[in-house]
Amino acid sequence: NAGVTQTPKFRILKIGQSMTLQCTQDMNHNYMYWYRQDPGMGLKLIYYSVGAGITDKGEVPNGYNVSRSTTEDFPLRLELAAPSQTSVYFCASSTLWTSGSPGELFFGEGSRLTVL
Amino acid sequence: GQNIDQPTEMTATEGAIVQINCTYQTSGFNGLFWYQQHAGEAPTFLSYNVLDGLEEKGRFSSFLSRSKGYSYLLLKELQMKDSASYLCAVMDSNYQLIWGAGTKLIIKP
Repeated sequence: NAGVTQTPKFRILKIGQSMTLQCTQDMNHNYMYWYRQDPGMGLKLIYYSVGAGITDKGEVPNGYNVSRSTTEDFPLRLELAAPSQTSVYFCASSTLWTSGSPGELFFGEGSRLTVL
Repeated sequence: GQNIDQPTEMTATEGAIVQINCTYQTSGFNGLFWYQQHAGEAPTFLSYNVLDGLEEKGRFSSFLSRSKGYSYLLLKELQMKDSASYLCAVMDSNYQLIWGAGTKLIIKP
């Protein structure tokens, strides 16, 4: 059972370049998320999706875009990379508990991105 | 604004007990989560509290007081592998998770 798989694990970008972080989950979860984690800071939500075809901005969406064409895939696009986007990125998914609340998050292994 | 506070770092001895506190101020409350994150790895789920009281799961327990906006994670019989960061997160009225910065727990032999 693969869970949440994200690629690449490491990437160095030059300022102004673009790239896509891939995320796939095989648990049939409706909810998917992209977070960034900077040293000494809490996880910051970039974008999230409650199902295929539906995406919403999180706390720090500027400079990023997402799409959700299938339940399994939730890629994150960085346009015109900037040094401020140097961070560790985590994709996560969750199911909906019977209480109606999104449940525990299952995280991918993370992608460490450096923009120089 | 919404805020989660937890200590930045704590040190404890192998075999001992440690309590990691978390206080929160959020727009509504739909539960509090604790996650464990080893250095260089992804967070993994530890516990969830939505009602007041203590939830016990093996060596780990989590407590919640909604009236005080307070939770703690209690780790017993500490092992070296418990060295990690512990993240507190509160789900607000919009079912969005608000994350604390994490508490780095250092276990000494």
